[in-house]
Order: sequence, then C-alpha cells, then structure tokens
Amino acid sequence: KAGVTQTPRYLIKTRGQQVTLSCSPISGHRSVSWYQQTPGQGLQFLFEYFSETQRNKGNFPGRFSGRQFSNSRSEMNVSTLELGDSALYLCASSLAPSGYNEQFFGPGTRLTVL
Amino acid sequence: ELKVEQNPLFLSMQEGKNYTIYCNYSTTSDRLYWYRQDPGKSLESLFVLLSNGAVKQEGRLMASLDTKARLSTLHITAAVHDLSATYFCAVDKYNNNDMRFGAGTRLTVKP
Repeated sequence: KAGVTQTPRYLIKTRGQQVTLSCSPISGHRSVSWYQQTPGQGLQFLFEYFSETQRNKGNFPGRFSGRQFSNSRSEMNVSTLELGDSALYLCASSLAPSGYNEQFFGPGTRLTVL
Repeated sequence: ELKVEQNPLFLSMQEGKNYTIYCNYSTTSDRLYWYRQDPGKSLESLFVLLSNGAVKQEGRLMASLDTKARLSTLHITAAVHDLSATYFCAVDKYNNNDMRFGAGTRLTVKP
C-alpha cells in the first residue's frame, strides 16, 4: 500500500512570492494534517482537514492556508513568503481524527525562501 | 496549553551502553507517540502508547507510559551506531490530530 506522498520534494522561492504544496494521503485515509519543522521552532502543527473541512488550526498567520479535495488530497498555500517560512513541511494522514487512528507522515517538502 | 518536554536534547552514547530518554507533557493526553527522524528525512513511527502502564518494545528500543505522572520513557538497550538519529515524542487527544511535539533528542552512538 502506497504511503503518503508530497509534491514537490524541494522548492526554492523568493520573498514575496506564494507557494502551493500538495499532499496525497494513504488510500482510504480521510484526515490530513500539516506540520512545519524548523531548527528554531521545531515541529509545529499548521492545520488539519477532514472531509474537506478544516477541523483545527495552529498558531500561524493567515498567510498560511489550506484546503482538502473530495478525494482527500490536500494542498497548503503560503502567500507573501518570508525568509522565516523556510522549513520542512510535513503532511500526515490518518483514517479519521478520532479513536486510535495513527498519523502517518509523508517525506516532506523542503521549502527554501531566498 | 499542552506542552511537551524532552530530555536530554543531546545524547552521545558508546555502543553497547544503555540509556533513557524522558518525555513529560503538561496536560492530559490520550495518545503518546515516539518517532525517529534521520537527517533530511521524514518521521518514522516507532511506538504509539494509549494507556497507563503501556509498554512496547521493538528491537533495542522500549517505550513506556505513565499517564498519572504524564511521563513517557524511551529506553535504549545496548546501543548500536544504526540507532543514531533524532527521536521525538508527541502527544494528542482523541478526535484531534493537533499533535504536539517535544524538541527532540539528538542521539549519537559512537563505536
């Protein structure tokens, strides 16, 4: 069974640009969460989607947004990029948010903002 | 606010030695996870602990959970070089995938 896939794997942008990252969950998984990992702040929760609805959102500015499609694939968008947005962005999927459903992480997208 | 603290943050071990990584969390949580991350890679799930007194073992790693003390431990037995990585603990609640991570423990096992 294929794991969580994320595209692109690497991305270089300049300040002020916007970027869209994509995540395809494990087949049958309907919950997708996004995390940002930086050396300074560690791993931080961005948001979670389930059945095309955002269920939870972390403490990030409105420049960070996301959505989920009917096939459970998810995208996150960062507008007006800042140097501090350089990070590894990880997507995780689970069957559903509740119960014993473990989250499985994708390989991540490494974003560099110049 | 739910906070997760790991210690130590850096750990240098000799091969063959034993050591324990500690993970404390501030409020009641339903699930506790241990992950491994190699440099430049994603997170690999090691253990999911769900109940007080839970103990799980895989190879040289053993994880335990004390929900009353809000403490989990990851014990390394007879360390080998291949265990060198960063280990994270994380917690969340049922019906909520907002997972809170510790800062990670960077483990280096030296021959």
